[in-house]
Amino acid sequence: GEDVEQSLFLSVREGDSSVINCTYTDSSSTYLYWYKQEPGAGLQLLTYIFSNMDMKQDQRLTVLLNKKDKHLSLRIADTQTGDSAIYFCAERRNQGGKLIFGQGTELSVKP
Amino acid sequence: DAGVIQSPRHEVTEMGQEVTLRCKPISGHNSLFWYRQTMMRGLELLIYFNNNVPIDDSGMPEDRFSAKMPNASFSTLKIQPSEPRDSAVYFCASSLKFLGQGYTEAFFGQGTRLTVV
Repeated sequence: GEDVEQSLFLSVREGDSSVINCTYTDSSSTYLYWYKQEPGAGLQLLTYIFSNMDMKQDQRLTVLLNKKDKHLSLRIADTQTGDSAIYFCAERRNQGGKLIFGQGTELSVKP
Repeated sequence: DAGVIQSPRHEVTEMGQEVTLRCKPISGHNSLFWYRQTMMRGLELLIYFNNNVPIDDSGMPEDRFSAKMPNASFSTLKIQPSEPRDSAVYFCASSLKFLGQGYTEAFFGQGTRLTVV
């Protein structure tokens, strides 16, 4: 099927690390993305990883990709209250430009 | 660049009325996407265009929905007649498609929140 799966909720304490997980379906996907959506706003691209990479680090963000298991994760180090938002993973299929999104994970950061 | 611009930001309309949502992509981008977001179904791709030509409209729910892109800087999504179940946030996104298969990342507008009563 076309489903990209994510858990719906994650709650962490300020200063802890957050790990948001995602599984996708199409092994031919070329790029995998993480978007952030704050209340009432559009989607903001956080980071992306090309399918031939295992890991990508960008400041507090670390993306891990396990192609064999079609598993993607986003780790946010030293999570802050401003990180509270919904996080979407998305895969870009090899054919065409379609971005298929997961359901989104609502991250709640408690002080 | 001001980013992807959508209008209106909010729309409340009565069932049966025609609704037109508008989008201005980022200048220079040649791919445009319309998404719908609801609590039940999350983000769904409705249709996307490359170089103003519709490529995949398999996500358009039914014939009441239509989308056009008359030029590279403007697109519309029309619902006629509208129904309460069409209530959702509609996002437009644009990206740049390179020769071959490559695309840049998609940049999203702020969305139009549609309420059909």
